[in-house]
Amino acid sequence: ETGVTQSPTHLIKTRGQQVTLRCSSQSGHNTVSWYQQALGQGPQFIFQYYREEENGRGNFPPRFSGLQFPNYSSELNVNALELDDSALYLCASSLGTRQETQYFGPGTRLLVL
Amino acid sequence: QKEVEQNSGPLSVPEGAIASLNCTYSDRVSQSFFWYRQYSGKSPELIMSIYSNGDKEDGRFTAQLNKASQYVSLLIRDSQPSDSATYLCAVNRGRPLQGAQKLVFGQGTRLTINP
Repeated sequence: ETGVTQSPTHLIKTRGQQVTLRCSSQSGHNTVSWYQQALGQGPQFIFQYYREEENGRGNFPPRFSGLQFPNYSSELNVNALELDDSALYLCASSLGTRQETQYFGPGTRLLVL
Repeated sequence: QKEVEQNSGPLSVPEGAIASLNCTYSDRVSQSFFWYRQYSGKSPELIMSIYSNGDKEDGRFTAQLNKASQYVSLLIRDSQPSDSATYLCAVNRGRPLQGAQKLVFGQGTRLTINP
């Protein structure tokens, strides 16, 4: 158990809809990173939030957006869902000290029909 | 060329033998290297981290890093059926001024330990 929680665990949406995924970081961790993992692939970095501000973004379109709250929990929002957005969405929390290890939550499995 | 490359496998090893997993990376400024284990349907779980050239041992696991060759490996001694999983190699991208590493993952190597 890493102390990182995510909700919901599973979600089914249709193309064009919007979705919000949530992550609670481990106690004391101020940095949350979001990753997308398609079936059979390694996780891909979406973006990171450090002390409530976006701190780097991967190669994902603007319809992927996020937020971090004062308690360092975080949300990932995806607008205009596409079939290819079907994946396991992982959040990872860390202390934000550059070499600190990232610990993953259980993930949210999203299916877009 | 992919930033982080792993043989996708499957790699099949008899119980009790040594499993050897390999990973190469392209960014010479990378400083942090991680091995994660991922069981089917679960999230990645950290196995080892390594930052300096050479070997790092933790129980049955040994990580090896060679920055000159841009190569990192994971050895699992006395392999057990419970070691059957996908092993993900991750490397940091760039040098963050603040916040955490942005990790680049390989596609993973699927390992099966045969009883």
